[in-house]
Amino acid sequence: DTAVSQTPKYLVTQMGNDKSIKCEQNLGHDTMYWYKQDSKKFLKIMFSYNNKELIINETVPNRFSPKSPDKAHLNLHINSLELGDSAVYFCASSRSGTSNTQYFGPGTRLTVL
Amino acid sequence: GQQVMQIPQYQHVQEGEDFTTYCNSSTTLSNIQWYKQRPGGHPVFLIQLVKSGEVKKQKRLTFQFGEAKKNSSLHITATQTTDVGTYFCAGRTSGNTPLVFGKGTRLSVIA
Repeated sequence: DTAVSQTPKYLVTQMGNDKSIKCEQNLGHDTMYWYKQDSKKFLKIMFSYNNKELIINETVPNRFSPKSPDKAHLNLHINSLELGDSAVYFCASSRSGTSNTQYFGPGTRLTVL
Repeated sequence: GQQVMQIPQYQHVQEGEDFTTYCNSSTTLSNIQWYKQRPGGHPVFLIQLVKSGEVKKQKRLTFQFGEAKKNSSLHITATQTTDVGTYFCAGRTSGNTPLVFGKGTRLSVIA
């Protein structure tokens, strides 16, 4: 069984569209994250949720809205997509605490045309 | 804010040569983690270091945490083509702060 799964794996869309990426983890973790990895491979945290509550919200345009319906899911909705949003988006999860190894999903490659 | 600098950005080595990547933080870290991302893949956890001066080994990989807990290194002995990928360090200043990733070192191994 996949520990952290994301859908879709690839997403190609036009500028201005709205899209969502879904993430699910079956590890029983209570913290989930969204990361953005650009073409230079820089990995930057966007959001972190602990027990369905937002605990980290880095400087991200408010076109990006995370939603956590329960501890096992963290979805990312993006409004009015822009060319600069093209990247690979990784979901990750971990337990709370100092030794929180992060388990990453396979990534969603978003291409905005 | 906290910054984690990682060098070099790229490294090309002949198979069998050694490889080292270095990580430096602007602030003292409570722990540091290392991840490996294969081409087209996702970051995978390798190890966590917590104690000042700690050294851990995984087969040909040696991880060190500096005495001041502000720097770390990953050394690979006798690289193999399976070592290809991007190696990230990631550190946090306390248990409640987010993990901050370095920009990664992309390793290429020429057979």
